[in-house]
Amino acid sequence: AQKVTQTQTSISVMEKTTVTMDCVYETQDSSYFLFWYKQTASGEIVFLIRQDSYKKENATVGHYSLNFQKPKSSIGLIITATQIEDSAVYFCAMRNTGGLSGKLTFGEGTQVTVIS
Amino acid sequence: DPKIIQKPKYLVAVTGSEKILICEQYLGHNAMYWYRQSAKKPLEFMFSYSYQKLMDNQTASSRFQPQSSKKNHLDLQITALKPDDSATYFCASSQDAEYNNQAPLFGEGTRLSVL
Repeated sequence: AQKVTQTQTSISVMEKTTVTMDCVYETQDSSYFLFWYKQTASGEIVFLIRQDSYKKENATVGHYSLNFQKPKSSIGLIITATQIEDSAVYFCAMRNTGGLSGKLTFGEGTQVTVIS
Repeated sequence: DPKIIQKPKYLVAVTGSEKILICEQYLGHNAMYWYRQSAKKPLEFMFSYSYQKLMDNQTASSRFQPQSSKKNHLDLQITALKPDDSATYFCASSQDAEYNNQAPLFGEGTRLSVL
């Protein structure tokens, strides 16, 4: 069975600095996809970035980047030059390849608060 | 404008009653999903549909029944409501369920409170 764990419950950072949050996962599959979403205070869930397990390069989109360490089953999210509007709950999620379910398994989330 | 519309945004129900949560997507996607977010729990996958066919059901209770009348609709009927059903229910969609690198996009959710 798949499992995704985010151990950091909350993080506070100063505006314009960098924040890093952790995520570890468990899967029996050799190929899988990892996603990060954020949930704003209004409840909106927004897709941020994806990492394919077969790619060694870390994905980067805008000021979001990933630290993918496959041997450690770890996928960290890095947000650089943080802004107040980056305050949100960040969720890590995993999907295995194969099958037609499309199911995502989510972690518990990390609350990020950006302070001015 | 939201491309995945969920109605209603808020819903209050009495224990034992039945409610239908509506979801429509205007993204041209072929796969649709339901997730549940309860207090202090991560988002939980409930159902997936592809081309209006049920692909996966991870809910333990038959009280939850998805209904797809059109390709871009996936409603969720909940019968015999219980206080434990109180949660925010999110509808999501992606181009296809079998292309697993696609990130599902989420609607704004329906917050259900069962009294």
